[in-house]
Amino acid sequence: DAKTTQPTSMDCAEGRAANLPCNHSTISGNEYVYWYRQIHSQGPQYIIHGLKNNETNEMASLIITEDRKSSTLILPHATLRDTAVYYCIVRVASIGSARQLTFGSGTQLTVLP
Amino acid sequence: GAVVSQHPSRVICKSGTSVKIECRSLDFQATTMFWYRQFPKKSLMLMATSNEGSKATYEQGVEKDKFLINHASLTLSTLTVTSAHPEDSSFYICSARDAGGVNSPLHFGNGTRLTVT
Repeated sequence: DAKTTQPTSMDCAEGRAANLPCNHSTISGNEYVYWYRQIHSQGPQYIIHGLKNNETNEMASLIITEDRKSSTLILPHATLRDTAVYYCIVRVASIGSARQLTFGSGTQLTVLP
Repeated sequence: GAVVSQHPSRVICKSGTSVKIECRSLDFQATTMFWYRQFPKKSLMLMATSNEGSKATYEQGVEKDKFLINHASLTLSTLTVTSAHPEDSSFYICSARDAGGVNSPLHFGNGTRLTVT
């Protein structure tokens, strides 16, 4: 699976949009981009994933560049409860059995009051 | 949505004893579950892949005789830390994927904080 690069930490003001970047320059055509977050002392929580097109759900939006070498997770109106470590993971689609996720260091997002 | 339940959330045990951690998929069946370990301020590290009805697959460096995995049904996998030592103190997390499709996301339990005294 392709390696990802994320900033170590970011701050965001409460109520503002949080934009978390991720570089995955070695991504291949059949690899998806997944985003998870981990609030302190909890298990990771799935946020969103995509292949080529931008995606949006009730939690966030995922913007993937046309060349697919980078992406941005957008939390439109960050709240204090969004403070967490955010992981960007690239993974090949697998037919049949599930494949594990390989976690990098992630980005510590701190939402400030 | 898919829910993975992990039990217990916290456990304290004495050195030399064994501890069992359960991971259940509550509203879906999971032929494969994954066990991760996380040390403070570190990322998650995959320990093993648990396969229903067959032997688990362990990552390099993980002792299979120390971390016993049993996946006896499509909704339950257990991790037993045998003869626990203080260095086994860690945050253990399981995950599973529902059958929504090859690209459906993995869902994680809320973890088990193990402290060995």
